[in-house]
Amino acid sequence: NAGVMQNPRHLVRRRGQEARLRCSPMKGHSHVYWYRQLPEEGLKFMVYLQKENIIDESGMPKERFSAEFPKEGPSILRIQQVVRGDSAAYFCASSLTSGSADEQFFGPGTRLTVL
Amino acid sequence: LAKTTQPISMDSYEGQEVNITCSHNNIATNDYITWYQQFPSQGPRFIIQGYKTKVTNEVASLFIPADRKSSTLSLPRVSLSDTAVYYCLLINNNNDMRFGAGTRLTVKP
Repeated sequence: NAGVMQNPRHLVRRRGQEARLRCSPMKGHSHVYWYRQLPEEGLKFMVYLQKENIIDESGMPKERFSAEFPKEGPSILRIQQVVRGDSAAYFCASSLTSGSADEQFFGPGTRLTVL
Repeated sequence: LAKTTQPISMDSYEGQEVNITCSHNNIATNDYITWYQQFPSQGPRFIIQGYKTKVTNEVASLFIPADRKSSTLSLPRVSLSDTAVYYCLLINNNNDMRFGAGTRLTVKP
């Protein structure tokens, strides 16, 4: 059973371009979470999605950032018109259900560098 | 979610037992105490979770006093490969995890 997969692992963009980060959850998992991590800092929650629904996007910037988890295919975190401050590691996690005791499984992350 | 406080860094030597304490004075009734481990350039990995008293698995033990205002992660006989950042989190039914800066554990030979 493959773990959470993210691609690309590394992404370089110039200011103003778009970045698309993909996350395939573990098989059977319908809950996906996105986090951002700056160097030497902890992960910051961005958004929580279930299939075709955004459940909680309280941690996601209101502009330029969007996320989706379609019925078929991976979850996508999209950053439009990237700026240097968007450079970070973006981690995706998935869980089987939601709830206090359900473990989240993390992917290897996508490291975004904005030039 | 209640804030957690843990030491920024700790040093240890191979073979020693390491205890990392986390304070969460404002923990809510439905919060579970959860610890994750993160190696450089990798995503966090679940270590252990508990609600009260003591929980033990093959990797670690988690001690939680009756008032639940703190918790201690215990790693027995650490090795060099246990060098990582350890995060203490409180999660509830929203499954919304808030990571702090964590504790950077360095295990020396």
